[in-house]
Amino acid sequence: QSALTQPASVSGSPGQSITISCTGTTSDVGTYSLVSWYQQHPGKAPKLMIYEVSKRPSGVSNRFSGSKSGNTASLTISGLQAEDEADYYCCSYAGSSTLVFGGGTKLTVL
Amino acid sequence: QVQLQESGPGLVKPSGTLSLTCAVSGGSASSSFWWSWVRQPPGKGLEWIGEISQSGRTNYNPSLKSRVTMTVDKSKNHFSLKVTSVTAADTAVYYCARMPGVGATSWYYFDYWGQGTLVTVSS
Repeated sequence: QSALTQPASVSGSPGQSITISCTGTTSDVGTYSLVSWYQQHPGKAPKLMIYEVSKRPSGVSNRFSGSKSGNTASLTISGLQAEDEADYYCCSYAGSSTLVFGGGTKLTVL
Repeated sequence: QVQLQESGPGLVKPSGTLSLTCAVSGGSASSSFWWSWVRQPPGKGLEWIGEISQSGRTNYNPSLKSRVTMTVDKSKNHFSLKVTSVTAADTAVYYCARMPGVGATSWYYFDYWGQGTLVTVSS
């Protein structure tokens, strides 16, 4: 069970759109539509942003969207805002009642 | 509003046992949810430790399974984590979190998190 692969960092200017990828294998992302995304600001607990690949919890801005193609899931943030600057983690069901996280991506708003 | 609060010693000696409790309020540890532990070493990413259902059914991360035990106390609305034979590699912020689900099935995402508690393994 290996960690999912995310880019270490991404950046964008206010108002732009960015996409964070999360690459797994046929043992996790490629087989199960149980991918979730979490936002974590420094010193804070993670916050659920997307679940089951593309569903958005109540209260999460519609600027956040999720998708999946093959073994790669993606989180897109449109209309980038300063408060979006944070670390983002993907998470996938990996079979046999286990979960695996990605290594995390630091988003910088320029 | 559901709230989760971790508690336990902030310092554990090497080869000792790490013990944490998560108190659930605004909901119930006996409701149709699963309850999970996630840890984050300083400056590093998140690692899933395991989950427990309201009936006490458990699933653990294979890499930690031999050292981890989770229990749930429905009457006290809390659940607990024990990690044995700890080393410096177990130093991390430990989070408890709620996972929606029904009966024997977790839906495998975390909708509520505790604030986290730092546990340092050092002599």
